[in-house]
Amino acid sequence: NAGVTQTPKFRILKIGQSMTLQCTQDMNHNYMYWYRQDPGMGLKLIYYSVGAGITDKGEVPNGYNVSRSTTEDFPLRLELAAPSQTSVYFCASSSLAGAPEQFFGPGTRLTVL
Amino acid sequence: QKEVEQNSGPLSVPEGAIASLNCTYSDRGSQSFFWYRQYSGKSPELIMFIYSNGDKEDGRFTAQLNKASQYVSLLIRDSQPSDSATYLCRTGGSQGNLIFGKGTKLSVKP
Repeated sequence: NAGVTQTPKFRILKIGQSMTLQCTQDMNHNYMYWYRQDPGMGLKLIYYSVGAGITDKGEVPNGYNVSRSTTEDFPLRLELAAPSQTSVYFCASSSLAGAPEQFFGPGTRLTVL
Repeated sequence: QKEVEQNSGPLSVPEGAIASLNCTYSDRGSQSFFWYRQYSGKSPELIMFIYSNGDKEDGRFTAQLNKASQYVSLLIRDSQPSDSATYLCRTGGSQGNLIFGKGTKLSVKP
């Protein structure tokens, strides 16, 4: 049981490039989330999903897109990367609405130059 | 704009002392509150959650909630150097309304 896995661990992008951050969970959780964490800051919700085929915006969705075609996978797409998207990105999952425990992946450290 | 406020610290306490971490929130509709611990370079992990006014104890950790004052706190008794981390407060609610504070950095000195 690997929990929540994220790839890549690190990435450097040039301004204007695109990439997809991968997130997979093997706990059969319905709920999945993408957060970003800037240095010295808390986590801000980018997008979330309550099940396959259902996604919705969080607090800071601009510049990102998501899809959820399976229960296991929740990729985050960055189009036209900007320096403001330099951050650590965490994917998380949980089993029930409002369930206390969100299980977090190890994070992806992204730098946009 | 719904907000969760925490003192960024760093909060420094000697080993064996009680560390007190505080969090205030603006959304009166929040029903549940969560404390996460995050070691440097790692992902957050849940340590406590509380739904009802009053205290909730789990080992060395006690969460305290006062909904009238919109205030939640985390006490760590007999603090250990391994407790040195950033502690994040989060409100519950609808899935798109999970608001994290910026976190308080705790340093426990041997």
